[in-house]
Amino acid sequence: DTAVSQTPKYLVTQMGNDKSIKCEQNLGHDTMYWYKQDSKKFLKIMFSYNNKELIINETVPNRFSPKSPDKAHLNLHINSLELGDSAVYFCASSTQTATFSYNEQFFGPGTRLTVL
Amino acid sequence: ELKVEQNPLFLSMQEGKNYTIYCNYSTTSDRLYWYRQDPGKSLESLFVLLSNGAVKQEGRLMASLDTKARLSTLHITAAVHDLSATYFCATNQAGTALIFGKGTTLSVSS
Repeated sequence: DTAVSQTPKYLVTQMGNDKSIKCEQNLGHDTMYWYKQDSKKFLKIMFSYNNKELIINETVPNRFSPKSPDKAHLNLHINSLELGDSAVYFCASSTQTATFSYNEQFFGPGTRLTVL
Repeated sequence: ELKVEQNPLFLSMQEGKNYTIYCNYSTTSDRLYWYRQDPGKSLESLFVLLSNGAVKQEGRLMASLDTKARLSTLHITAAVHDLSATYFCATNQAGTALIFGKGTTLSVSS
């Protein structure tokens, strides 16, 4: 009954490779996010999708491409991996309705990406 | 641009002592979230504060929000080792992603 799940949990790869991380939520939420946590634990938003549409796209290299096949899934594909991409990537989800006064976000377990 | 500042960033506490973590944010927001992260783990939601003057308590942790001062506090009462973790505050405006503080790493020792 996992709420937000990610695969894989660990990803070790060589520079220049292409890799994908998958995220699924079973909370019935309509908005999903990708956050990056660096080695100093700083968390920063990368992308957000609402009902499969991209609504937030922070200053992220275009080597990163999110894809949302449906409301419950948000994947992250990374091309030409670089050393600086090493980090923990968290997926999150929430409801996003203007009438709601809050939209608490629930986080997945994270994917630790190590680029060698 | 919405910014969130936490302090202190590191906190070494003795068991049984009290302490407070402060979270300031830069622009108007009526919501504040506190998360806990254990090493190598995900973020666990602790508190959601939705209005000025909101106060919530869970065990030895109590969080409050002053939207006029743009300040939230997380007060720790009689710290125990199990509270050792990194605590993040975050805020957003309706329909936008969370902006996080840099986190406060709490270490409780006997």
